[in-house]
Amino acid sequence: DVKVTQSSRYLVKRTGEKVFLECVQDMDHENMFWYRQDPGLGLRLIYFSYDVKMKEKGDIPEGYSVSREKKERFSLILESASTNQTSMYLCASSLSDTEAFFGQGTRLTVV
Amino acid sequence: DAKTTQPPSMDCAEGRAANLPCNHSTISGNEYVYWYRQIHSQGPQYIIHGLKNNETNEMASLIITEDRKSSTLILPHATLRDTAVYYCIVRVAGTGGFKTIFGAGTRLFVKA
Repeated sequence: DVKVTQSSRYLVKRTGEKVFLECVQDMDHENMFWYRQDPGLGLRLIYFSYDVKMKEKGDIPEGYSVSREKKERFSLILESASTNQTSMYLCASSLSDTEAFFGQGTRLTVV
Repeated sequence: DAKTTQPPSMDCAEGRAANLPCNHSTISGNEYVYWYRQIHSQGPQYIIHGLKNNETNEMASLIITEDRKSSTLILPHATLRDTAVYYCIVRVAGTGGFKTIFGAGTRLFVKA
């Protein structure tokens, strides 16, 4: 079974902190994605990557950056966390023409 | 990018078939229709996908109209555990890969 693992299930950070959300997949997938999910807004794509060191902006990249130094790992970075970044963050991976597999999510609270 | 339209919510009686509709009128010829579901507090889970033909697996059936402008996901015998948000997605080809864009989905309530 494909496993997509997010480093934390719950996280509480202070405003202004630099936050790293880590995601690791074990199936050699080319594509990796970061979404955030908020009530009433569904899943919104933040960034995605289709290869090591490659990244593309999704629909809502502002306030975020990403890093993909190794194929299996895709990190989401909040340079200076703000309260409006309190959300559920979901990581996913896929091969080019197959379904995406999701992690369990990280619920981030910025206080 | 092709977009999808789904009803915000639906009810279904336990044991009956749940039929979830999706409109994707701007779909292009090489785009697949995918369905995912998300049970509360979990990440989305893949259900099924198709291009032109109807598809069936152990979880569900997917019926795609001949003009491909709409589709229906069928859960043949809904159970309480099928209560979830169901997302209909059209896969969009990005540069070198695919990006999966999710809409708001349909919240399905299966009632005893």
